[in-house]
Amino acid sequence: DTAVSQTPKYLVTQMGNDKSIKCEQNLGHDTMYWYKQDSKKFLKIMFSYNNKELIINETVPNRFSPKSPDKAHLNLHINSLELGDSAVYFCASSQGGQGATDTQYFGPGTRLTVL
Amino acid sequence: AQSVTQPDIHITVSEGASLELRCNYSYGATPYLFWYVQSPGQGLQLLLKYFSGDTLVQGIKGFEAEFKRSQSSFNLRKPSVHWSDAAEYFCAVGPASNTGKLIFGQGTTLQVKP
Repeated sequence: DTAVSQTPKYLVTQMGNDKSIKCEQNLGHDTMYWYKQDSKKFLKIMFSYNNKELIINETVPNRFSPKSPDKAHLNLHINSLELGDSAVYFCASSQGGQGATDTQYFGPGTRLTVL
Repeated sequence: AQSVTQPDIHITVSEGASLELRCNYSYGATPYLFWYVQSPGQGLQLLLKYFSGDTLVQGIKGFEAEFKRSQSSFNLRKPSVHWSDAAEYFCAVGPASNTGKLIFGQGTTLQVKP
């Protein structure tokens, strides 16, 4: 059983399109995250939700909109895709309520390529 | 501002040799520190973490790390590297607030020679 799963694993699309990446965790965690890993391998947090409530919202273009239908899911919708959005996007989850002491469990990543 | 620096972008060691991966951080208070490993095509897996107490932390897969406040370092070590340790290693520092936000270093690619 995959603890944190993401779909799709690969996503190739044209500039200007709208796409979504889905994330699901079966760990019973309360907190979920989205990270972006650029071509230089830098990992940077984008969003974090705790019990469906947004708690971290980094300086991310508003073309990116996270949606949490329930605490086991955190989807990332991206409008009007740009070349610079090409990256690997990682979803993660943690138990929540403990802040930094939580261990974050990562999904396998979604490689997004914008042509 | 908080930051993490991993000075070595790429390291190659022979199988069976010892390994040390460097990590330096900049942080205003006592940091929470983490090491994660990313195998090719996989997500990140936590190797070990330091919050307080004993400055030498043991992790999974035979790894350990030592927190040195005077040097602002949290270097990862392994006495004998196995070929399966070839991966990307990330050091991360804990948040300024209780939000779980991690700040990652750029990563070190470890190559293991047979």
